[in-house]
Amino acid sequence: QVQLQESGPGLVKPSETLSLTCTVSGVSFSSYYWSWIRQPAGKGLEWIGRIYTSGITNYSPSLKSRVTISVDTSKNQFSLKLSSVTAADTAVYYCARSYSGFDYWGQGTLVTVSS
Amino acid sequence: DIQMTQSPSSLSASVGDRVTITCQASQDISNYLNWYQQKPGKAPKLLIYDASNLETGVPSRFSGSGSGTDFTFTISSLQPEDFASYYCQQYDNLPLTFGGGTKVEIK
Repeated sequence: QVQLQESGPGLVKPSETLSLTCTVSGVSFSSYYWSWIRQPAGKGLEWIGRIYTSGITNYSPSLKSRVTISVDTSKNQFSLKLSSVTAADTAVYYCARSYSGFDYWGQGTLVTVSS
Repeated sequence: DIQMTQSPSSLSASVGDRVTITCQASQDISNYLNWYQQKPGKAPKLLIYDASNLETGVPSRFSGSGSGTDFTFTISSLQPEDFASYYCQQYDNLPLTFGGGTKVEIK
């Protein structure tokens, strides 16, 4: 079955870098865009950015200066790095496949920014 | 950025009711509009893509319509499992953007 699994620390200190990895199985990895999306508690969805399996990236302008998304096609993984985090970055982070819509999603992982 | 204005932000309805949610884009997005359902503690689920196409396996009581700037999402007969939040999302332009969401609650 299709599985997208986010992994990474659930607690990050302010000013440090948030790092998450999404491992994809059960579905074709090549020739798709793969996105990161986040959702603060009780709030709406925010697209962070995406990467094509060739390595081409697109980022949300509001986060672009702090975001890096990379891909490892040999492992069917893509990763998110968000630098200089603050409490405002506390959210559930989802990885998802982008086709017409986001058709496959990970379960989400809560990342809390706190000292 | 394209702003997606979704309304209402919440609504109360009964099982069997017809429910309609609207989404307005700040500029023409053709039919590049998707609708998602999200239940508490779960990831969103794609219901409708390209404004009016039902994702595989999604019940036919869900439908979408519209093009340009104005879109509508309808549940023809609300079922108990449909109480959730719903989001629209455009993919005509980067950055990809979502509407603010509509929470459908039990009356």
